[in-house]
Amino acid sequence: DTEVTQTPKHLVMGMTNKKSLKCEQHMGHRAMYWYKQKAKKPPELMFVYSYEKLSINESVPSRFSPECPNSSLLNLHLHALQPEDSALYLCASSRNLAESSYNEQFFGPGTRLTVL
Amino acid sequence: SQKIEQNSEALNIQEGKTATLTCNYTNYSPAYLQWYRQDPGRGPVFLLLIRENEKEKRKERLKVTFDTTLKQSLFHITASQPADSATYLCALDQDDKIIFGKGTRLHILP
Repeated sequence: DTEVTQTPKHLVMGMTNKKSLKCEQHMGHRAMYWYKQKAKKPPELMFVYSYEKLSINESVPSRFSPECPNSSLLNLHLHALQPEDSALYLCASSRNLAESSYNEQFFGPGTRLTVL
Repeated sequence: SQKIEQNSEALNIQEGKTATLTCNYTNYSPAYLQWYRQDPGRGPVFLLLIRENEKEKRKERLKVTFDTTLKQSLFHITASQPADSATYLCALDQDDKIIFGKGTRLHILP
């Protein structure tokens, strides 16, 4: 199984809502990533987990809260978001972090988030 | 910090011709450089990786070159087809993560 799955595909939420994005992979990868991508822009790294521990936080606002319950799952909890947070949220995984630069990253299809 | 420049935001190529995309970086030479394809509304898909000590890498109709003197990678698609139309992103390593260029939107015209 060489697939990264993400749910939901689309999410519309108000600024006071709490929601979660989910990501799953069964390739035995030990590094998992959250990216945010705005239209016509490249993916921007948000968080990196290595062996279920948060390794990199790219100064993301606290209204985004990542969680890695086990080696196959990655969640992104959302609370009190702003309209400018509307974007495509991509999850990715790779074999491990130390070799991230020469291991390909496998991306999920993304969750299209709209904040009203 | 490293900056990546993909100098064509969009590129139109006639079907059957070779499409050549450019990726330049500004600072230190990365150990590796990767190319990804992204279709609208979908996640990027890995295509090729080239190491700093490799001059060229091929995969089917794809070819990547890496010139550390020029600080540049070229990505070629030979015998291009309309199905090759997509955004192509180059990416390189920086501090345990990869950073992406802005991408080039390639349109193969039938």
